[in-house]
Amino acid sequence: QVQLQESGPGLVKPSETLSLTCTVSGYSISSGYYWGWIRQPPGKGLEWIGSIYHSGSTNYNPSLKSRVTISVDTSKNQFSLKLSSVTAADTAVYYCARDTGYSSVLDPWGQGTLVTVSS
Amino acid sequence: QSVLTQPPSVSAAPGQKVTISCSGSSSNIRNNYVSWYQQLPGTAPKLLIYDNNERPSGIPDRFSGSKSGTSATLGITGLQTGDEADYYCGTWDSSLSAGVFGGGTKLTVL
Repeated sequence: QVQLQESGPGLVKPSETLSLTCTVSGYSISSGYYWGWIRQPPGKGLEWIGSIYHSGSTNYNPSLKSRVTISVDTSKNQFSLKLSSVTAADTAVYYCARDTGYSSVLDPWGQGTLVTVSS
Repeated sequence: QSVLTQPPSVSAAPGQKVTISCSGSSSNIRNNYVSWYQQLPGTAPKLLIYDNNERPSGIPDRFSGSKSGTSATLGITGLQTGDEADYYCGTWDSSLSAGVFGGGTKLTVL
């Protein structure tokens, strides 16, 4: 079955760039679907960050658009998130998920990775 | 604030039925399919309902979804203590060109 796994640093300094990678197994990204990032600050709700199609076409949350870049590496079956100029408000559990691309149906999800922004 | 509006919490006794509402607008719920996600404590969200009322394989028929206009509803019958979780609605917003979620509803099974 399709599985997703997030990886990357758990601690990022303020003003620096947060970088995460999602590795997909059990399905080839090149075969289709969108691939998305979602985050959840501690004790709070879900926030959609953005998604990318295997061809490289992207959609971003307007509130984060100026700081977000999502890219895909089909040769490694991975997609990545970069969030620049981070502050403590970016501290959250970051999830990756497969996105149907219509009505943003997210399934399955990775287990999530906590990223803390602190000096 | 979240684009979609959910009640912060609901509660009911074991064996009873509960509904969770999700309110939006014409740019999201009215013109797009709604999904529901269940997040058990300490775990990642899991797809519960998609396309307004469809259940993925493995989801029991105690869980149901419906949509009318700019609102959607998740129904859970035969409540079990294992259903205690946070529930989120989600969809696409055509004006924002972005995915959107509700703020989440915490279900307590008394």
